[in-house]
Amino acid sequence: QVQLQQWGAGLLKPSETLSLTCAVYGGSFSGYYWSWIRQPPGKGLEWIGEINHSGSTNYNPSLKSRVTISVDTSKNQFSLKLSSVTAADTAVYYCARRVKASTMVQGVPYYYYYMDVWGKGTTVTVSS
Amino acid sequence: QSVLTQPPSVSAAPGQKVTISCSGSSSNIGNNYVSWYQQLPGTAPKLLIYENNKRPSGIPDRFSGSKSGTSATLGITGLQTGDEADYYCGTWDSSLSAPNWVFGGGTKLTVL
Repeated sequence: QVQLQQWGAGLLKPSETLSLTCAVYGGSFSGYYWSWIRQPPGKGLEWIGEINHSGSTNYNPSLKSRVTISVDTSKNQFSLKLSSVTAADTAVYYCARRVKASTMVQGVPYYYYYMDVWGKGTTVTVSS
Repeated sequence: QSVLTQPPSVSAAPGQKVTISCSGSSSNIGNNYVSWYQQLPGTAPKLLIYENNKRPSGIPDRFSGSKSGTSATLGITGLQTGDEADYYCGTWDSSLSAPNWVFGGGTKLTVL
């Protein structure tokens, strides 16, 4: 049973850098993309970005200029850094595993994706 | 403003059926498979449906998913009070400029 355990600073001042780490236990680290998602208070989910074991990344275009996601395969961990935070970055931050699978449709392979394992979330508050 | 559009709320009585819609475009739902997530109050989201209509092990068959064109639908039958939660659709957006994952804005289900 794969589990994701996440941690990081919960209180930041404006302009500081948010830093969170997520560790993967009980399963393979390669073969998946590892994502960060956030949820502002009372609002919906926002995908931040993802990384695979090789270090290949995809980022939300709206956050790309401030986001860095990195990976440490020796520890089966991946990390999020979000620079120049403001009150708008106050949210619960989740890490999650994104699966890539395929299905055959009339002899042609189609890929599909979903997030099947989630961390419990880390509350990050930005306040002066 | 979310890329995928969901109704903010739906409600129904215990035992009844409810559907939640998720509307997108050709760059996301129209050309990719949809997944659905259930978020109970104060908890992390949980995978409910993947590949448009498949249920992970442990998810009861009261939950179903479908997709047509650029829209997807989550159905829940035999509603229980424990189904009260927020529900999110999600899919890959194959935008040429920046492929990325997108979620709907979420739908709050109230079981009256």
